[in-house]
Amino acid sequence: DIQMTQSPSSLSASVGDRVTITCRASQGIVNYLAWFQQKPGKAPKSLIYAATNLQSGVPSRFSGGGSGTDFTLSISNLQPEDFATYYCQQYNRYPITFGQGTRLEIK
Amino acid sequence: QVQLVQSGAEVMKPGASVKVSCKVSGDTVTALSMHWVRQAPGKGLEWLGGFDPVERERVYAQEFQGRVTMTEDTSTDTAYMELNSLRSEDTAMYFCVTGAAPDSFDFWGQGTMVTVSS
Repeated sequence: DIQMTQSPSSLSASVGDRVTITCRASQGIVNYLAWFQQKPGKAPKSLIYAATNLQSGVPSRFSGGGSGTDFTLSISNLQPEDFATYYCQQYNRYPITFGQGTRLEIK
Repeated sequence: QVQLVQSGAEVMKPGASVKVSCKVSGDTVTALSMHWVRQAPGKGLEWLGGFDPVERERVYAQEFQGRVTMTEDTSTDTAYMELNSLRSEDTAMYFCVTGAAPDSFDFWGQGTMVTVSS
């Protein structure tokens, strides 16, 4: 199985800050990498697919980068609604696997 | 726009089976590659299995092989996930999820809470 490791596990930031979350795959996954945002009690929401492509309707302050084994999710100009948990996911090979999540909290 | 509406919460005894439904609107269930993901309370996301559009067959996570069955009813555009031999560790929110491209997770159901307790 491909292991996905996110860092950090949690992060404190202020409104207006820029943050970056990293995700490392245990083997190369080309660009078959997605990012999700989840708020308490809600289903995850797709933010980015194919490592760098923003889903329709997602604000441009979100951006994704990377290929192969190392990926990033960056959020610039943090807004109050961005404080949530973020997950990366690889879909290059079955079983589909997720990172353990990064909790983004308000400082 | 695809929408997925799941069945309601379930409370089950250990050893029982549960069958969760996922009603598709905005497309047909046969046009989509449906997957199922679960999330135990306070934990991360775990993929149970889904439809491989390349091999055109269902694939299941090794951990659930022999215990999970995913099916579809094309007459009602509804997908189902049945999990057998339930144990307390199966207590979780179960989500159906699908997307516009193979193995993409663009559209999520609202989730079905399954509680396993004696």
